[in-house]
Amino acid sequence: EAQVTQNPRYLITVTGKKLTVTCSQNMNHEYMSWYRQDPGLGLRQIYYSMNVEVTDKGDVPEGYKVSRKEKRNFPLILESPSPNQTSLYFCASSPDRGGKDEQYFGPGTRLTVT
Amino acid sequence: KQEVTQIPAALSVPEGENLVLNCSFTDSAIYNLQWFRQDPGKGLTSLLLIQSSQREQTSGRLNASLDKSSGRSTLYIAASQPGDSATYLCAPKGGSYIPTFGRGTSLIVHP
Repeated sequence: EAQVTQNPRYLITVTGKKLTVTCSQNMNHEYMSWYRQDPGLGLRQIYYSMNVEVTDKGDVPEGYKVSRKEKRNFPLILESPSPNQTSLYFCASSPDRGGKDEQYFGPGTRLTVT
Repeated sequence: KQEVTQIPAALSVPEGENLVLNCSFTDSAIYNLQWFRQDPGKGLTSLLLIQSSQREQTSGRLNASLDKSSGRSTLYIAASQPGDSATYLCAPKGGSYIPTFGRGTSLIVHP
């Protein structure tokens, strides 16, 4: 089944403890991205990648890192999480390198930082 | 910077009504516009994608139109059903490769 998977789905952690949220797609898509969704603010893009080893900042990149060593994987890294990073996170992918095609979203990861 | 507004923010209707959800955006230089559905606590499901050269797209009871020059898109839902209850989001995408999402229209269709 064609899909975008994220792990973990739920995570509770403490301030400063490094964490990684994995994202994987099995559709051979070029474009991958990470979003966070917060009440009243909607969905905002954190980082995106148009190809392996090519990543770029979205609207809210502060406090996050990403890597794209393989086409199918695009992990989101929080080196030192803070409470303001408590949010619902989504990974997405799209066939076109520029993201001009339909986007497919993962199921989401709910992160709580205490 | 692109700004997206969705009206109404919330809508509650009886089953069977035809609905109109509106999306307006400030920067008309877009490649495409995508409509999504989001169920509570869940991910986004793509409903329709309209390229900038298209005027409308249809899928079943859904029809989305795009007027790029005026910065507007409309999602029509025909013969609404309780299963249509969800939040509907629009996302125009421009040359920066970063889509901008509206805050959504929360729809409740009651039997």
